[in-house]
Amino acid sequence: SAVISQKPSRDICQRGTSLTIQCQVDSQVTMMFWYRQQPGQSLTLIATANQGSEATYESGFVIDKFPISRPNLTFSTLTVSNMSPEDSSIYLCSVRGRLRENTEAFFGQGTRLTVV
Amino acid sequence: GQNIDQPTEMTATEGAIVQINCTYQTSGFNGLFWYQQHAGEAPTFLSYNVLDGLEEKGRFSSFLSRSKGYSYLLLKELQMKDSASYLCAVTTDSWGKLQFGAGTQVVVTP
Repeated sequence: SAVISQKPSRDICQRGTSLTIQCQVDSQVTMMFWYRQQPGQSLTLIATANQGSEATYESGFVIDKFPISRPNLTFSTLTVSNMSPEDSSIYLCSVRGRLRENTEAFFGQGTRLTVV
Repeated sequence: GQNIDQPTEMTATEGAIVQINCTYQTSGFNGLFWYQQHAGEAPTFLSYNVLDGLEEKGRFSSFLSRSKGYSYLLLKELQMKDSASYLCAVTTDSWGKLQFGAGTQVVVTP
């Protein structure tokens, strides 16, 4: 199994500012995924981060709003830029198991973001 | 479009059995996952099905029919701690991104 450390665990931010969320994995993984979970809703994929290339964003999410870095095979960051109250959500990073591609996806503990 | 449908809420008594259904229509299929999520926590893995049939793991079992685009999660001998949201998720590629259903809130009553 993979252990994912995500930080910060929570933050309260002023609108118009930016927050960078870090995700550290204890093993090398090809793909890392960033999800958003708005209050009372399920998870929505923001983007897929592959080391050495630009992230691939899902429909409705853009790089200017959610820039992602993936400098190596164990680390990624997601920045929520120019925040508004609508960005208040839980943000989760996720990886797939290393030994077999189609094994469970592991999740970090999430970052609970409140924008005021 | 892509759809993953599951009931919004189910209520059952302690010790009983509950079956949570999930139907999906996606462009491609490379496996179906069930996750449990307690309020304020990250999802935790319960099961993975890629071939038709039943996968049993303790009190939890998951079934898949690819031809019908259908899965269910069976929770037996319900305990109060099983009160949580249960998420059905489908992966359509080999890299692992997941599409989630809206989740089913299971309430276990004494």
